[in-house]
Order: sequence, then C-alpha cells, then structure tokens
Amino acid sequence: DTGVSQDPRHKITKRGQNVTFRCDPISEHNRLYWYRQTLGQGPEFLTYFQNEAQLEKSRLLSDRFSAERPKGSFSTLEIQRTEQGDSAMYLCASSFLLPAYEQYFGPGTRLTVT
Amino acid sequence: ELKVEQNPLFLSMQEGKNYTIYCNYSTTSDRLYWYRQDPGKSLESLFVLLSNGAVKQEGRLMASLDTKARLSTLHITAAVHDLSATYFCAIHGGSQGNLIFGKGTKLSVKP
Repeated sequence: DTGVSQDPRHKITKRGQNVTFRCDPISEHNRLYWYRQTLGQGPEFLTYFQNEAQLEKSRLLSDRFSAERPKGSFSTLEIQRTEQGDSAMYLCASSFLLPAYEQYFGPGTRLTVT
Repeated sequence: ELKVEQNPLFLSMQEGKNYTIYCNYSTTSDRLYWYRQDPGKSLESLFVLLSNGAVKQEGRLMASLDTKARLSTLHITAAVHDLSATYFCAIHGGSQGNLIFGKGTKLSVKP
C-alpha cells in the first residue's frame, strides 16, 4: 500500500499527558499537511511542511502543539499537556510540490482525552 | 475571512431520487475539491474541478464548478444506500495550499 499512513489509529490519554502521532506520506510527495477534525465539522488546517521546512502554522496550533518532519520524510505531531478540547481526529495529508496539487489523506488518528 | 458554505448540512433521501448539494465559497478560486467521508474514516477524494465550467461524473455523482458565481454543485442521480456518507467541498486557503473545508453534508439514503 503506497498511500498515506498514520500511527496510532486511536489514542486514549488522560488530561495533562503528552501524546505523539506519526504520519508517513506518499514517498514522492514534498508537501505534508496536518489537519484536525472535530465531530460534525470539516477538517481544519493546523500546519504544513515543504520537505523538512515547516512553512506555515495556523492560529489553531497553540504552544502546546509541535510538529516536525526530519529529513523531509515522515512527520510527527506532539501535543503536550493534553486538554479535553484536544479530542479530535488528527488527519495528515500529502501532495506534490505545487500548492495546487491534490492532497491525499491518511486514515487519521482519533484522540480521546479523558 | 475565507468561507466555504455547504447546504444542506443534512439530507435524507429515498433510494432512486435525485438531489443536489451546493457549495459556495467567499474568495476567487480556480479549483475546487469534493471529498467523501464515511463514519470514523478518513477523506476519499471524489472530484478535482480545475476550471470554470468544469464538469466531472463518476457513477451516480456529477460535480460542476462555476468560478464566476463561486459555486460548485454535487448532483446525485437515482440515489442508492451505498452513497450514504458525509460529503465535503474544499478550496485552497492561500498560496501555501492548505485546504478550507465546508462543514459537510451528511447524506442518508433510505430504502
């Protein structure tokens, strides 16, 4: 399977704990995006990478969130000191270099903060 | 502020009927995307509409784009239960390519 993969698929954590998610994009894709989707809403943009450089962050991305993409391959999204409001589906997408190229989404990581 | 608005947000249809979902957006965009999402699943790309007047069809779904009116439609012909899902439209939010999504239209097709 050469699509976008994400790990874990589900994560349950207690409030105040740190969590880290991983995304492996389609190998030829230079751009990698993170989105968050809450129940009944469309995905909302969090941040994106072009190769290893993080080029834009949404105002939704508080200081407790950090993302990396070492060597321009896989990416990690870490949430520190989780809050109940962080409960959501975290989606990763990748695309070719030009911004207008279609984005392909991974299966998502469902985070539940208790 | 960039906005993408879909209507209706909920749609209950009988099998065999036709209906249209509308997607309006607030800024100029020369392309628009339609995605399908099944419950608890990720987004599946349905259509990429690349220019004004673009029309694409796949099975019982047909999508069109009018960039002058900032409107896209997703037409469902002779609905079947397998089409039950949430449908999202999206445009690029800026020069960096991030997508701005509508709230989605939850479609339920009943026998």
